[in-house]
Amino acid sequence: QKEVEQDPGPLSVPEGAIVSLNCTYSNSAFQYFMWYRQYSRKGPELLMYTYSSGNKEDGRFTAQVDKSSKYISLFIRDSQPSDSATYLCATYSGGYNKLIFGAGTRLAVHP
Amino acid sequence: DAGITQSPRHKVTETGTPVTLRCHQTENHRYMYWYRQDPGHGLRLIHYSYGVKDTDKGEVSDGYSVSRSKTEDFLLTLESATSSQTSVYFCAISDRQGTEAFFGQGTRLTVV
Repeated sequence: QKEVEQDPGPLSVPEGAIVSLNCTYSNSAFQYFMWYRQYSRKGPELLMYTYSSGNKEDGRFTAQVDKSSKYISLFIRDSQPSDSATYLCATYSGGYNKLIFGAGTRLAVHP
Repeated sequence: DAGITQSPRHKVTETGTPVTLRCHQTENHRYMYWYRQDPGHGLRLIHYSYGVKDTDKGEVSDGYSVSRSKTEDFLLTLESATSSQTSVYFCAISDRQGTEAFFGQGTRLTVV
């Protein structure tokens, strides 16, 4: 079993929709979680960083961690065509030294 | 962008030749990581470093070696390149355990 699982999609939504992206993780000891956005042929760009449980909001983006179910989510409100990208979840394994990723979900927002 | 530079940005090499990729940072961050990215696999960790001369293996380390002789540089070497190592390679850095990590722009390597 992979330590971080993420549905690769693709996910296609109309402009203005609320998007929900999700990952599950295997180890209840994981504490730090990140979401990255990656445009085609570019490096991943950090979107959100959260520690432990709860919600964190930044503009149209909300990151949520549910430690009881080992589930992390990224919500995008009022989605725009410019949000079309691959979204990757990440966490630290190996005593918080090893940064590991889910497979990434490809999102397309169409006008 | 965080001060991370990967070189070269593109490389085509022949099977069996050695290849070294360089990651250079100007942030004085302690941790550095090398990943490869392939369709359907996301980002897979090759090796990482938690300080000068301190390195460890990731999930796909076979066929790769690394060195870190100074804080700012982390080198990834393919001793004898194979076609299965054709990929996009990314370097990342982070300041401390568990903190935000930032990526370089990637190196596209093709082994023919």
